[in-house]
Amino acid sequence: DSGVTQTPKHLITATGQRVTLRCSPRSGDLSVYWYQQSLDQGLQFLIHYYNGEERAKGNILERFSAQQFPDLHSELNLSSLELGDSALYFCASSVSRGGTDTQYFGPGTRLTVL
Amino acid sequence: AQSVTQPDIHITVSEGASLELRCNYSYGATPYLFWYVQSPGQGLQLLLKYFSGDTLVQGIKGFEAEFKRSQSSFNLRKPSVHWSDAAEYFCAVALILTGGGNKLTFGTGTQLKVEL
Repeated sequence: DSGVTQTPKHLITATGQRVTLRCSPRSGDLSVYWYQQSLDQGLQFLIHYYNGEERAKGNILERFSAQQFPDLHSELNLSSLELGDSALYFCASSVSRGGTDTQYFGPGTRLTVL
Repeated sequence: AQSVTQPDIHITVSEGASLELRCNYSYGATPYLFWYVQSPGQGLQLLLKYFSGDTLVQGIKGFEAEFKRSQSSFNLRKPSVHWSDAAEYFCAVALILTGGGNKLTFGTGTQLKVEL
């Protein structure tokens, strides 16, 4: 158990819908990262938040957005869902924002878009 | 741009045999390198990491990895594989981004199968 929690574990929805994935980082960690794992794209970095502020963006679609709240939990919002958005979404957390920081991963949320 | 290559998509070894999983990276500066393992239905667990210093690093579950700058490699090894090691293994490099962020760039993974 990494100490990072993600809810829900599974999510099944229809095209065009909007969903919210939630992540609680390890106690004391200030950084939250979101990654997408799909069969065709592999593991892709989406976005990094540090202490409530966006710090880096990766291959994140405009239909996707995220935020980190004052209690440091984070939410990833996916809207106008398409079949291709079906994937495993991971959240990770680290103590600060350095490249040497270990990122601890949650168990993931499996999103299925029908 | 930085990249990570894991040339072996699948590897099968017998239980008790030695294991080496290959990882090559492309990165301009000193790389921060990681190996993670993903069991079915699980998240990613860190096995070991390299930042600087001794090029042979020890990790959990009896794994080790050797950083070779001249070959741009960071191969993962285990002297004797156990059936419970069957999983997917990912090599990753951390990239520090402008604005104070960072991200991990992952290889495509190597699926390890262990024959009893």
